Amino acid sequence: EVQLVESGGGLLQPGGSLRLSCAASGFTFSSFAMSWVRQAPGKGLEWVSAISINGDNIHYANSVKGRFIISRDNSQNTLYLQMNSLRAEDTAVYYCAKTDSSGYYYMDVWGKGTTVTVSS
Amino acid sequence: EIVLRQSPGTLSLSPGERATLSCRASQSLSSSYLAWYQQKPGQAPRLLIYGASSRATGIPDRFSGSGSGTDFTLTISRLEPEDFAVYYCQQFDNSPTWTFGQGTKVEIK
Repeated sequence: EVQLVESGGGLLQPGGSLRLSCAASGFTFSSFAMSWVRQAPGKGLEWVSAISINGDNIHYANSVKGRFIISRDNSQNTLYLQMNSLRAEDTAVYYCAKTDSSGYYYMDVWGKGTTVTVSS
Repeated sequence: EIVLRQSPGTLSLSPGERATLSCRASQSLSSSYLAWYQQKPGQAPRLLIYGASSRATGIPDRFSGSGSGTDFTLTISRLEPEDFAVYYCQQFDNSPTWTFGQGTKVEIK
């Protein structure tokens, strides 16, 4: 079964740091780009970051550029999101998603998400 | 940055009725880069349509996508009880950036 499982969410204060993980199984992780997408409470979906197959192409939304770092470990089938200088507006459910890079750029497999709450 | 505007915000329909959801882009985009997702409360999004009109694996044929340029449509031919959900369109541009519309909620009338 193709599966993505996020972990690492939690409650922390503004200015804090957190690292999210996304464990992939059921498909050849090293053959696909990956993305992080978040959803603030009661709001819509917001793309956060994407990383290419071997990690040499990385992209961020303007809202997180300079604060978040995406990475991957293909030997461990795991995607990461290092989140620094967290703000209240970063509060959201964070999803990882398998991302097509063959010319369509859709996200066809999603994890269940992990919740990040930034509050004093 | 391309902005996607979905309409209507909420669609109130009965099971068996036809649903037509609109997604309008602020600039023309390649049809290859337009996708639709369904999200139910407490669940992750599910890919329905990619390339504007291609159904994803396992998606029933009552879901169809169409459109080009700046105007795209998701049609659900006959609503089933499990289709009441929020639907998002999504585009990719060569910045590269992925952008989602604000969503259309399809609710039971």
